[in-house]
Amino acid sequence: DAKTTQPNSMESNEEEPVHLPCNHSTISGTDYIHWYRQLPSQGPEYVIHGLTSNVNNRMASLAIAEDRKSSTLILHRATLRDAAVYYCILDSGTYKYIFGTGTRLKVLA
Amino acid sequence: DAGVTQSPTHLIKTRGQQVTLRCSPKSGHDTVSWYQQALGQGPQFIFQYYEEEERQRGNFPDRFSGHQFPNYSSELNVNALLLGDSALYLCASSLRREAFFGQGTRLTVV
Repeated sequence: DAKTTQPNSMESNEEEPVHLPCNHSTISGTDYIHWYRQLPSQGPEYVIHGLTSNVNNRMASLAIAEDRKSSTLILHRATLRDAAVYYCILDSGTYKYIFGTGTRLKVLA
Repeated sequence: DAGVTQSPTHLIKTRGQQVTLRCSPKSGHDTVSWYQQALGQGPQFIFQYYEEEERQRGNFPDRFSGHQFPNYSSELNVNALLLGDSALYLCASSLRREAFFGQGTRLTVV
C-alpha cells in the first residue's frame, strides 16, 4: 500500500492562505490523491481529490507536482473553522484508504 | 440525504463481551468500509463490503467480522472484546472516487 508523509503540525493566521504539503514518492500511475480533514470527535470529511492536473473546488485547491511524487493542499483564506487534522491519502480505486497521522492545522485569530 | 449514519454513537462494554455496530450508507452507495481510530491516531482500515461480500481486509484478527445487507447497510461485529479495542469506529460509504464517513461509534471496553 502506497504511503504518504506529512508534517505533524502547521500554524496559520486567520484569513491568510495555507499550503499543506504531502510527499508520496511511491505513488503508482493509477493512484488518485485524496485529501480529507477531521475535526475533533467527527468522522473525516472529504476535501478534494485529483490524479494529475491541479484541481479546484469550493473548499480548496490541490496542486500536484509534475512527477506526482508530491502534492499541496491550498486553503485560500484560512478560517477558525478550518482548524483540523488534514490527511493526504493515495487510492488505487479500491477505496481502501491508508491514513497516516496527518497534519494538525492550527489557525490563529 | 442523511449521509452516512452510524449507531449507536457511544457504547461501553466489558472485556470478553461481543458488540455489533451498525452503518447506513449514503443513498446509492454500494461499497461500505469500516475503520478503527485509536486516540491520537489516523483511522486504520478494517475491511470493506461490496455486493454483500467482504472484498478487502486490513490487518485485523478474525474477532472482527462484518456483514452487508441487500440494502447496502452494514454491521461490524467484534467478539471477545479486549481493552485495546477501545476506539472510534468509523464507517465510510463510497461512490465515484469519493468516500463519505459517518460520525463514528465510540466504543469503550472496561
